[in-house]
Amino acid sequence: AQRVTQPEKLLSVFKGAPVELKCNYSYSGSPELFWYVQYSRQRLQLLLRHISRESIKGFTADLNKGETSFHLKKPFAQEEDSAMYYCALSRLADTGRRALTFGSGTRLQVQP
Amino acid sequence: EAGVTQFPSHSVIEKGQTVTLRCDPISGHDNLYWYRRVMGKEIKFLLHFVKESKQDESGMPNNRFLAERTGGTYSTLKVQPAELEDSGVYFCASSQAPKNEQYFGPGTRLTVT
Repeated sequence: AQRVTQPEKLLSVFKGAPVELKCNYSYSGSPELFWYVQYSRQRLQLLLRHISRESIKGFTADLNKGETSFHLKKPFAQEEDSAMYYCALSRLADTGRRALTFGSGTRLQVQP
Repeated sequence: EAGVTQFPSHSVIEKGQTVTLRCDPISGHDNLYWYRRVMGKEIKFLLHFVKESKQDESGMPNNRFLAERTGGTYSTLKVQPAELEDSGVYFCASSQAPKNEQYFGPGTRLTVT
């Protein structure tokens, strides 16, 4: 069975400070990792996925298979980054079973 | 492009009653997923449709939950009879191969009293 762990319920930083939201996973197969974000009064939306290797809104995340981690980073936080962030995993090889396993989420507060 | 829609946005029912939640996926999306988040817990997968077929229903908690997707378009999730522990937010998501990016609806908040 797969599992996603986000150890921090709340992360509070000041504007302009670096941000790192932690995510660790356990899965015996080949995973696909995602970060989803939910801004206040909005729906869950995909922020980035590891296979795309993109930088979205200044955020990046690198899959580290040795440490089974997929931490989300941004060098300079902005107030509009305040939101709930969820790390999620799906099975890469099994295209028929693409359900997401979510972590418990981390609330990021960026203070002015 | 219209996103995933869910109806109702909120539902308050008494224990023992029946509730039916509806999800309309993005047009053309074959994959439809149901998830839920109960109070204080993670968002958990319930089941996955590919067109009208149930591809994976391993997350359905018990036989009080029945999901359908007749015609492969919208889906309904019925809870009968509802129990207190069913309270939470029920999300629907849809996706299409090959990108398989899941687009989420706004959720239905279910409160069982």
